[in-house]
Amino acid sequence: DQQVKQNSPSLSVQEGRISILNCDYTNSMFDYFLWYKKYPAEGPTFLISISSIKDKNEDGRFTVFLNKSAKHLSLHIVPSQPGDSAVYFCAASAWSGAGSYQLTFGKGTKLSVIP
Amino acid sequence: EPEVTQTPSHQVTQMGQEVILRCVPISNHLYFYWYRQILGQKVEFLVSFYNNEISEKSEIFDDQFSVERPDGSNFTLKIRSTKLEDSAMYFCASSIEGFTGEGYTFGSGTRLTVV
Repeated sequence: DQQVKQNSPSLSVQEGRISILNCDYTNSMFDYFLWYKKYPAEGPTFLISISSIKDKNEDGRFTVFLNKSAKHLSLHIVPSQPGDSAVYFCAASAWSGAGSYQLTFGKGTKLSVIP
Repeated sequence: EPEVTQTPSHQVTQMGQEVILRCVPISNHLYFYWYRQILGQKVEFLVSFYNNEISEKSEIFDDQFSVERPDGSNFTLKIRSTKLEDSAMYFCASSIEGFTGEGYTFGSGTRLTVV
């Protein structure tokens, strides 16, 4: 049951160009979406999030777009830098009423930024 | 910057043995989590813990698993009788609130190998 799907396991982009990472979800109860970045031998690091009541959130070079009708979100990185090379996980959360949120993750997309 | 610390970084254990994975969450955080990632798979929620009790657990978190906060600083995950399929990267995470749009802070993980 893949509630959060990242259909591209990998993506290669030239340095300076735009990287677009995509994520689809099926659970309409998700109310928050997050992107995490993960380097080898490290834990996931929070990058940016968006509430389901918004359609765009921007933080420096990173912008997340949410299309609720299509149940689709994307992460744009402009301009891409070699240090952005990592695995990017899309995650979603929904209030379960139990006092804490659990995150549902996609399988990740490995981004390689080529100098 | 505050960190979530996990020890050991790599644990090899024989099938059927008990294993304890240790985590030191960020000191002022109140919510604690364990996630795992089987090689090549997505990051999966195991359990959340608040106020000295489990607030949520997934179907993966069966009777073989338990969590404890024995001394107010450590947060442990115990697997009573390990199986080959328990081999995975286990991530501990913590957050100051039950929900935060900035997600959790993850540790670097413990790679558990069951042989």
